[in-house]
Amino acid sequence: EVQLVESGGGVVQPGGSLRLSCEASGFSFDNYWMNWVRQVPGKGPVWVSNIKLDGITTSYADSVKGRFIISRDNAKNTVYLQMNSLRVDDTGIYYCARDRLGEYTFDTWGQGTVVTVSS
Amino acid sequence: DIVMTQSPDSLAVSLGERATINCKSSQSLLYTYNNKHYLEWYQQKPGQPPKLLIYWASTRESGVPDRFSGSGSGTDFTLTVSHLQAEDVAVYYCQQSYSVPPTFGGGTKVEIK
Repeated sequence: EVQLVESGGGVVQPGGSLRLSCEASGFSFDNYWMNWVRQVPGKGPVWVSNIKLDGITTSYADSVKGRFIISRDNAKNTVYLQMNSLRVDDTGIYYCARDRLGEYTFDTWGQGTVVTVSS
Repeated sequence: DIVMTQSPDSLAVSLGERATINCKSSQSLLYTYNNKHYLEWYQQKPGQPPKLLIYWASTRESGVPDRFSGSGSGTDFTLTVSHLQAEDVAVYYCQQSYSVPPTFGGGTKVEIK
């Protein structure tokens, strides 16, 4: 069964840091681009970042550029999101999503991990 | 960034009837080199992540019932749920994958009348 399981969410003060993890199973992880997508309940999803097969080529939404770092460990079938200088508007559910076509088409999503930035 | 605008915000449809959801992009989503529109549709039920229904505007994802269909071209797209079932109650989102960053619409909530 194809599965993505996120972890690492929590409550943090503005300016703090968190590291999210997403462990994949049931497919050849190193054959897929991987993404992080954020959603505030009641609102549409917002793409945050992605990482390509080589683990070097990355992209970020302007709102997180310079603060978040995405990485992957193909040996552990895991993608990470290091979140620094967190702001209140970073609050939301963070989903890990697989990009099946390498075209930002998200065919598999995890259940999400909740990040709350609040003083 | 490409702006995706969905309408209506919500709709109530009787069981067995048709639900039609519209999505408009701020620029064309057609890649002329392969004649494909880079537009996806997702379904999200309460407490669950989004689920891919349709990609390339009209290609149904494996396992998705054929009562779900996508159509449209250029900047205007439609998701149709024919013969609405109780399990189709959800929020539906469109998303463009034409350019980075990929962007989503605000969602359309479908309920049973």
